[in-house]
Amino acid sequence: RKEVEQDPGPFNVPEGATVAFNCTYSNSASQSFFWYRQDCRKEPKLLMSVYSSGNEDGRFTAQLNRASQYISLLIRDSKLSDSATYLCVVLRYNFNKFYFGSGTKLNVKP
Amino acid sequence: GAVVSQHPSRVICKSGTSVKIECRSLDFQATTMFWYRQFPKKSLMLMATSNEGSKATYEQGVEKDKFLINHASLTLSTLTVTSAHPEDSSFYICSAIPFPPSSGSGNEQFFGPGTRLTVL
Repeated sequence: RKEVEQDPGPFNVPEGATVAFNCTYSNSASQSFFWYRQDCRKEPKLLMSVYSSGNEDGRFTAQLNRASQYISLLIRDSKLSDSATYLCVVLRYNFNKFYFGSGTKLNVKP
Repeated sequence: GAVVSQHPSRVICKSGTSVKIECRSLDFQATTMFWYRQFPKKSLMLMATSNEGSKATYEQGVEKDKFLINHASLTLSTLTVTSAHPEDSSFYICSAIPFPPSSGSGNEQFFGPGTRLTVL
């Protein structure tokens, strides 16, 4: 079983839509969680860290559910510029290693 | 803040040559840097963890004599692809974790812009 699993998509949504991605992780020892976005042929860029209490940054909301071992990302009022691949990333401190999901592709259409 | 640079951004070389890629943290120090490679439409694959002042830790299946890593200072790690072959063509990305962590950043890693290697 993969350490981190994501639905690859693509999610095709119209501008203004609300879209949600989930990501599951297999190891309960995982301790830090992040969402990155990656544009085609570019490096990943940190979108937001995910805290136990959940956190929000503008149109983006991230949630962590440790009991069910998943994290989510909600994007409200989608913009064309949100089109990208969203990577779920998990850090396990004991290995000092980051585990990446395969990414979820989002296409926002006019 | 937390800017990571990579050089070169793109390299084309002949089979059998060695290619050196530099990864620099520009405005912070990093005791740990990571090297990844990414194939088209695939996620990042961790190759090795580069530790300042000590040997790199390689992932299973990654040849340490093929991919030489040196982390000689707190702001620079280098990856040398020795005797490159066409199958080494890929997008190589480094990342770094600020040390000490900056306020609010936790353990986020910051990525360089990547190096696209094409071996002919």
